[in-house]
Amino acid sequence: EVQLVQSGAEVKKPGESLKISCKASGFTFTTYWIGWVRQMPGKGLEWMGIIYPDDSDARYSPSFQGQVTISVDKSISIAYLQWSSLKASDTAMYYCAKSGRGLSFDYWGHGTLVTVSS
Amino acid sequence: EIVMTQSPATLSVSPGERATLSCRASQSVSDNLAWYQQKPGQAPRLLMYDASTRATGIPARFSASGSGTEFTLTISGLQSEDFAVYYCQHYHNWPPITFGQGTRLEIK
Repeated sequence: EVQLVQSGAEVKKPGESLKISCKASGFTFTTYWIGWVRQMPGKGLEWMGIIYPDDSDARYSPSFQGQVTISVDKSISIAYLQWSSLKASDTAMYYCAKSGRGLSFDYWGHGTLVTVSS
Repeated sequence: EIVMTQSPATLSVSPGERATLSCRASQSVSDNLAWYQQKPGQAPRLLMYDASTRATGIPARFSASGSGTEFTLTISGLQSEDFAVYYCQHYHNWPPITFGQGTRLEIK
């Protein structure tokens, strides 16, 4: 069974760093792209970026380039999304998702809620 | 960047009726298009990929069509569990991949 299990909710202050995770199981982690999607409160889905675990080839949306870093540890089948300096506007639900046919996303994690507040 | 525009923003339909949702791309995405359903408090669920192929486990009342810049998702015989927000997403000449802003399907 394919599963993407994300790390738990986080409450951080502006300027703090954060790394959230997405643990994959039930498929060959190294042969599917893993993407990250942001959903701000009450808003739609925004594609942030994607990584190919086999070679850590990461691609970013221009809106998120330089704002976040996507990485993987393929030895333990985990993808990461990290910030070096959070802003209040980073408050959102963050989903990881596995690529299916093309770059559609056929399996999703349950989401990690990140709250940034002073 | 390819911009995806969904219409209408909100669609009110009675149970048992048919709903037709539209998605337009700012330039051709060929058939590199997916549709998702999202219910409150849940992650999105893949409904369709490659513009018209149902994902695993998706009921036959869901169908989709289109190519290039114009796409349609049709839900026939609406059931209570179908009332949700629907998103289209292209995956043509990425990055970036982009989603439409969503259509909220509500009970009339």
